[in-house]
Amino acid sequence: LAKTTQPISMDSYEGQEVNITCSHNNIATNDYITWYQQFPSQGPRFIIQGYKTKVTNEVASLFIPADRKSSTLSLPRVSLSDTAVYYCLVGDNTGTASKLTFGTGTRLQVTL
Amino acid sequence: AAGVIQSPRHLIKEKRETATLKCYPIPRHDTVYWYQQGPGQDPQFLISFYEKMQSDKGSIPDRFSAQQFSDYHSELNMSSLELGDSALYFCASSQTQGGYEQYFGPGTRLTVT
Repeated sequence: LAKTTQPISMDSYEGQEVNITCSHNNIATNDYITWYQQFPSQGPRFIIQGYKTKVTNEVASLFIPADRKSSTLSLPRVSLSDTAVYYCLVGDNTGTASKLTFGTGTRLQVTL
Repeated sequence: AAGVIQSPRHLIKEKRETATLKCYPIPRHDTVYWYQQGPGQDPQFLISFYEKMQSDKGSIPDRFSAQQFSDYHSELNMSSLELGDSALYFCASSQTQGGYEQYFGPGTRLTVT
């Protein structure tokens, strides 16, 4: 399982774009990069997953450079409701029952 | 859309008592996971089941056991409860080979006094 490193906390104003970078220098060939969001006292929520280049959905974008040693979760025009902890997970999730190993996530605080 | 259902949502027990947490996965999801999240901590994987068979085991105490039934719901049984077991317990489900795309329930908050 690749070790991940991400900032402990970030602050942003409402309406700004937020980019959270995750380092995973030891990523393996079969590993995918997955991001989860967690609000206080709620279960984590899957946001986005990617293997290389760029992935975009209705919530966020995920940028993965060619060497895949890092990735950036981009949240466009954040609002107060985006205040949450964001987790970056890296691993081979192609099998059955792939457990999630949560490291220390990034606590994003959005203010007016 | 149907979500993962957990019951009860809150549970208060005394030390040395037992507790049973239930999880009903999203329909057609055959894989269930249990996670524990202590106060101020990150979620920690406990155990998972695929097609009613235990598929992986994490940092689950021997006092805890779990199983998945024929209807795919799962139960986490906790005995000889300790104060340190107080936490949020999340159940998640996924489709076969759903990998890291798991859907979490609202959690059961267990308080041991």
